[in-house]
Amino acid sequence: DAGITQSPRHKVTETGTPVTLRCHQTENHRYMYWYRQDPGHGLRLIHYSYGVKDTDKGEVSDGYSVSRSKTEDFLLTLESATSSQTSVYFCAISEGSNGRQETQYFGPGTRLLVL
Amino acid sequence: SQQGEEDPQALSIQEGENATMNCSYKTSINNLQWYRQNSGRGLVHLILIRSNEREKHSGRLRVTLDTSKKSSSLLITASRAADTASYFCATDPNSGGYQKVTFGIGTKLQVIP
Repeated sequence: DAGITQSPRHKVTETGTPVTLRCHQTENHRYMYWYRQDPGHGLRLIHYSYGVKDTDKGEVSDGYSVSRSKTEDFLLTLESATSSQTSVYFCAISEGSNGRQETQYFGPGTRLLVL
Repeated sequence: SQQGEEDPQALSIQEGENATMNCSYKTSINNLQWYRQNSGRGLVHLILIRSNEREKHSGRLRVTLDTSKKSSSLLITASRAADTASYFCATDPNSGGYQKVTFGIGTKLQVIP
């Protein structure tokens, strides 16, 4: 999985609790992304980062926040988890040569269940 | 909304047959990419085709791009059971400034041994 790890790989939590998912890369790629994948919706972008401390919202950012204090780490936080956030979360990275994102490399995913 | 939309959403073929999946998109693009996802795994990049290219090959994969019709197709020749997976197209928009790559919903391919 191209030097990308996600932790935890599985998590069960209760409604209303905060949850943080971590993505770690060893590729020194500029761009990092968080997606969620749900049946019938494909991959939807939550947040992305184009550099340390540079982040922006994606298509489905409500209820999520991110932080990137180091090139290699991109954290996704569910501030107060809800059942609608039960999903599989994928982190991805891309090199971003010439300002284009081109190929993305995906982590193995985190399965989150919110009860 | 999804920039890329794959068609069909599901496809079942016999081993040895060819599989064709299509992707349509709405806005002009810099490039279009195809990814594969095996069950329970992350997406894996297969092939990238730039807006000035019309066809690209990689092993048993053939990708075409028709920018006038805003569509692309992925052909897998001589399919194998191991090709069973979901296939996604992703588009890198060409609309100035920073734009996000967007993924379609995918085509679920089943190759029957």
